[in-house]
Amino acid sequence: DAKTTQPPSMDCAEGRAANLPCNHSTISGNEYVYWYRQIHSQGPQYIIHGLKNNETNEMASLIITEDRKSSTLILPHATLRDTAVYYCIVRVNDYKLSFGAGTTVTVRA
Amino acid sequence: NAGVTQTPKFRILKIGQSMTLQCAQDMNHNYMYWYRQDPGMGLKLIYYSVGAGITDKGEVPNGYNVSRSTTEDFPLRLELAAPSQTSVYFCASSSPGGSYNEQFFGPGTRLTVL
Repeated sequence: DAKTTQPPSMDCAEGRAANLPCNHSTISGNEYVYWYRQIHSQGPQYIIHGLKNNETNEMASLIITEDRKSSTLILPHATLRDTAVYYCIVRVNDYKLSFGAGTTVTVRA
Repeated sequence: NAGVTQTPKFRILKIGQSMTLQCAQDMNHNYMYWYRQDPGMGLKLIYYSVGAGITDKGEVPNGYNVSRSTTEDFPLRLELAAPSQTSVYFCASSSPGGSYNEQFFGPGTRLTVL
Protein backbone atom coordinates (compact mmCIF):
# COMPACT_ATOMS: atom_id res chain seq x y z
CA ASP A 1 0.00 0.00 0.00
CA ALA A 2 1.05 3.56 -0.56
CA LYS A 3 1.85 5.28 2.71
CA THR A 4 -0.40 8.17 3.71
CA THR A 5 0.44 11.13 5.90
CA GLN A 6 -2.26 13.04 7.76
CA PRO A 7 -2.01 15.71 10.44
CA PRO A 8 -2.72 14.16 13.85
CA SER A 9 -5.39 16.69 14.75
CA MET A 10 -7.25 19.77 13.59
CA ASP A 11 -10.00 22.06 14.82
CA CYS A 12 -12.84 23.49 12.82
CA ALA A 13 -15.57 26.01 13.60
CA GLU A 14 -19.16 24.83 13.35
CA GLY A 15 -20.77 25.90 10.08
CA ARG A 16 -17.46 26.41 8.31
CA ALA A 17 -15.86 24.12 5.75
CA ALA A 18 -13.39 21.59 7.11
CA ASN A 19 -10.49 20.78 4.77
CA LEU A 20 -8.64 17.61 5.68
CA PRO A 21 -5.34 17.04 3.87
CA CYS A 22 -3.71 13.73 3.03
CA ASN A 23 -0.34 13.14 1.39
CA HIS A 24 0.23 9.94 -0.60
CA SER A 25 3.27 10.69 -2.74
CA THR A 26 3.98 7.01 -3.56
CA ILE A 27 0.50 6.21 -4.83
CA SER A 28 0.34 3.80 -7.78
CA GLY A 29 -1.79 4.27 -10.86
CA ASN A 30 -4.33 1.63 -9.82
CA GLU A 31 -4.70 2.73 -6.21
CA TYR A 32 -7.77 4.54 -5.00
CA VAL A 33 -8.04 7.12 -2.24
CA TYR A 34 -10.65 6.18 0.38
CA TRP A 35 -11.89 8.24 3.28
CA TYR A 36 -13.54 6.85 6.38
CA ARG A 37 -14.42 8.39 9.69
CA GLN A 38 -14.91 6.95 13.14
CA ILE A 39 -17.09 8.74 15.63
CA HIS A 40 -16.15 7.94 19.22
CA SER A 41 -16.68 4.26 20.11
CA GLN A 42 -18.55 3.50 16.88
CA GLY A 43 -17.57 1.44 13.87
CA PRO A 44 -15.90 3.31 11.00
CA GLN A 45 -18.14 4.89 8.41
CA TYR A 46 -17.32 5.07 4.71
CA ILE A 47 -17.36 8.63 3.38
CA ILE A 48 -16.10 8.75 -0.20
CA HIS A 49 -13.45 7.43 -2.57
CA GLY A 50 -11.84 8.40 -5.85
CA LEU A 51 -9.20 7.42 -8.36
CA LYS A 52 -8.33 10.48 -10.43
CA ASN A 53 -11.32 12.77 -10.66
CA ASN A 54 -12.79 14.90 -7.93
CA GLU A 55 -15.80 13.31 -6.30
CA THR A 56 -18.78 14.65 -4.37
CA ASN A 57 -21.57 12.95 -2.47
CA GLU A 58 -24.05 13.94 0.18
CA MET A 59 -21.43 13.80 2.90
CA ALA A 60 -18.31 15.36 1.45
CA SER A 61 -16.15 16.28 -1.52
CA LEU A 62 -12.83 14.71 -2.43
CA ILE A 63 -10.27 16.75 -4.31
CA ILE A 64 -7.33 14.79 -5.76
CA THR A 65 -4.39 16.71 -7.19
CA GLU A 66 -3.52 16.16 -10.83
CA ASP A 67 -0.34 14.24 -9.95
CA ARG A 68 -2.40 12.23 -7.39
CA LYS A 69 0.23 12.72 -4.71
CA SER A 70 -2.17 14.39 -2.32
CA SER A 71 -5.87 14.85 -1.70
CA THR A 72 -8.22 16.90 0.43
CA LEU A 73 -11.48 15.84 1.99
CA ILE A 74 -13.91 18.72 2.33
CA LEU A 75 -16.80 18.73 4.76
CA PRO A 76 -18.72 21.74 3.41
CA HIS A 77 -20.57 22.83 6.54
CA ALA A 78 -19.12 21.13 9.58
CA THR A 79 -21.43 20.32 12.48
CA LEU A 80 -20.67 19.11 15.98
CA ARG A 81 -21.65 15.62 14.84
CA ASP A 82 -18.72 15.65 12.41
CA THR A 83 -16.28 15.45 15.34
CA ALA A 84 -14.45 12.17 14.65
CA VAL A 85 -11.22 10.53 13.57
CA TYR A 86 -10.87 10.71 9.79
CA TYR A 87 -8.84 8.09 7.95
CA CYS A 88 -7.29 8.53 4.52
CA ILE A 89 -6.50 5.15 2.97
CA VAL A 90 -4.79 4.41 -0.31
CA ARG A 91 -5.46 0.96 -1.67
CA VAL A 92 -6.21 -1.00 -4.79
CA ASN A 93 -9.79 -2.21 -5.03
CA ASP A 94 -9.15 -5.55 -3.33
CA TYR A 95 -11.01 -5.40 -0.01
CA LYS A 96 -7.91 -5.26 2.18
CA LEU A 97 -8.16 -1.89 3.85
CA SER A 98 -5.47 -0.81 6.30
CA PHE A 99 -6.30 1.92 8.81
CA GLY A 100 -3.60 4.16 10.24
CA ALA A 101 -3.82 6.76 13.00
CA GLY A 102 -5.94 9.26 11.06
CA THR A 103 -6.73 12.90 11.86
CA THR A 104 -8.76 13.73 14.94
CA VAL A 105 -11.13 16.50 13.89
CA THR A 106 -12.83 18.55 16.59
CA VAL A 107 -15.68 20.81 15.50
CA ARG A 108 -16.18 23.66 17.96
CA ALA A 109 -19.37 25.66 18.47
CA ASN B 1 -32.22 -3.43 7.00
CA ALA B 2 -30.36 -3.90 10.26
CA GLY B 3 -27.03 -3.73 8.40
CA VAL B 4 -24.16 -5.38 10.26
CA THR B 5 -24.95 -6.61 13.76
CA GLN B 6 -22.51 -7.88 16.39
CA THR B 7 -23.00 -9.71 19.66
CA PRO B 8 -22.12 -9.38 22.45
CA LYS B 9 -21.48 -5.66 22.91
CA PHE B 10 -19.16 -6.21 25.88
CA ARG B 11 -17.41 -9.23 27.34
CA ILE B 12 -14.84 -9.92 30.03
CA LEU B 13 -12.86 -13.16 29.72
CA LYS B 14 -10.33 -14.82 31.96
CA ILE B 15 -7.00 -15.88 30.50
CA GLY B 16 -7.36 -19.21 28.73
CA GLN B 17 -11.10 -19.02 28.23
CA SER B 18 -12.69 -19.29 24.79
CA MET B 19 -15.49 -17.40 23.15
CA THR B 20 -17.13 -16.70 19.82
CA LEU B 21 -17.91 -13.19 18.62
CA GLN B 22 -20.97 -13.20 16.42
CA CYS B 23 -21.42 -11.12 13.28
CA ALA B 24 -24.34 -11.07 10.88
CA GLN B 25 -25.34 -8.92 7.92
CA ASP B 26 -28.63 -8.71 6.05
CA MET B 27 -27.41 -6.89 2.94
CA ASN B 28 -26.55 -10.03 0.97
CA HIS B 29 -22.91 -8.97 0.87
CA ASN B 30 -20.40 -11.56 -0.28
CA TYR B 31 -17.42 -10.07 1.49
CA MET B 32 -17.05 -9.98 5.26
CA TYR B 33 -14.19 -8.91 7.53
CA TRP B 34 -13.01 -8.92 11.11
CA TYR B 35 -10.85 -6.10 12.47
CA ARG B 36 -9.46 -5.31 15.87
CA GLN B 37 -8.72 -1.85 17.24
CA ASP B 38 -6.43 -1.41 20.19
CA PRO B 39 -6.75 1.77 22.29
CA GLY B 40 -5.62 4.87 20.38
CA MET B 41 -4.70 2.88 17.29
CA GLY B 42 -6.11 2.27 13.85
CA LEU B 43 -7.89 -0.93 12.80
CA LYS B 44 -6.03 -4.07 11.82
CA LEU B 45 -7.54 -6.80 9.63
CA ILE B 46 -7.73 -10.21 11.35
CA TYR B 47 -9.55 -12.41 8.81
CA TYR B 48 -11.76 -11.91 5.80
CA SER B 49 -14.10 -13.98 3.65
CA VAL B 50 -15.10 -13.56 0.02
CA GLY B 51 -18.04 -15.93 0.24
CA ALA B 52 -19.52 -18.89 2.06
CA GLY B 53 -16.86 -21.53 2.66
CA ILE B 54 -13.95 -19.23 1.77
CA THR B 55 -11.82 -17.46 4.37
CA ASP B 56 -8.32 -16.03 4.46
CA LYS B 57 -5.90 -14.44 6.90
CA GLY B 58 -5.40 -10.73 7.29
CA GLU B 59 -2.61 -8.85 9.07
CA VAL B 60 -3.05 -10.26 12.59
CA PRO B 61 -4.69 -13.73 12.46
CA ASN B 62 -2.76 -15.46 15.27
CA GLY B 63 -4.99 -16.57 18.15
CA TYR B 64 -8.19 -16.41 16.10
CA ASN B 65 -10.25 -18.67 13.86
CA VAL B 66 -13.19 -17.99 11.58
CA SER B 67 -15.77 -19.91 9.60
CA ARG B 68 -18.28 -18.85 6.96
CA SER B 69 -21.03 -21.40 6.47
CA THR B 70 -23.65 -18.91 5.24
CA THR B 71 -23.58 -15.59 3.39
CA GLU B 72 -25.09 -13.84 6.40
CA ASP B 73 -22.87 -14.99 9.28
CA PHE B 74 -19.15 -14.69 9.98
CA PRO B 75 -18.26 -15.70 13.56
CA LEU B 76 -14.81 -15.07 15.06
CA ARG B 77 -13.49 -17.63 17.54
CA LEU B 78 -10.92 -16.97 20.28
CA GLU B 79 -9.67 -20.31 21.56
CA LEU B 80 -7.29 -19.42 24.42
CA ALA B 81 -7.83 -15.82 25.42
CA ALA B 82 -4.75 -13.77 26.28
CA PRO B 83 -4.45 -10.22 27.66
CA SER B 84 -3.00 -9.13 24.30
CA GLN B 85 -6.42 -9.82 22.78
CA THR B 86 -8.02 -7.07 24.84
CA SER B 87 -9.40 -4.86 22.12
CA VAL B 88 -12.49 -3.66 20.29
CA TYR B 89 -13.52 -6.01 17.51
CA PHE B 90 -15.36 -4.76 14.46
CA CYS B 91 -17.06 -6.82 11.80
CA ALA B 92 -17.67 -5.35 8.35
CA SER B 93 -19.11 -6.36 4.99
CA SER B 94 -19.00 -5.18 1.40
CA SER B 95 -20.50 -6.07 -1.93
CA PRO B 96 -18.70 -6.88 -5.17
CA GLY B 97 -21.36 -4.82 -6.89
CA GLY B 98 -19.83 -1.67 -5.46
CA SER B 99 -16.29 -0.88 -4.44
CA TYR B 100 -14.82 -3.74 -2.44
CA ASN B 101 -13.39 -1.20 -0.05
CA GLU B 102 -16.73 0.53 0.61
CA GLN B 103 -17.22 -1.44 3.77
CA PHE B 104 -20.11 -1.32 6.21
CA PHE B 105 -19.13 -1.75 9.84
CA GLY B 106 -20.94 -3.10 12.85
CA PRO B 107 -21.03 -1.38 16.25
CA GLY B 108 -18.19 -3.44 17.72
CA THR B 109 -17.59 -5.87 20.58
CA ARG B 110 -15.47 -4.61 23.47
CA LEU B 111 -13.45 -7.50 24.88
CA THR B 112 -11.32 -7.43 28.02
CA VAL B 113 -9.11 -10.38 28.95
CA LEU B 114 -7.97 -10.46 32.57
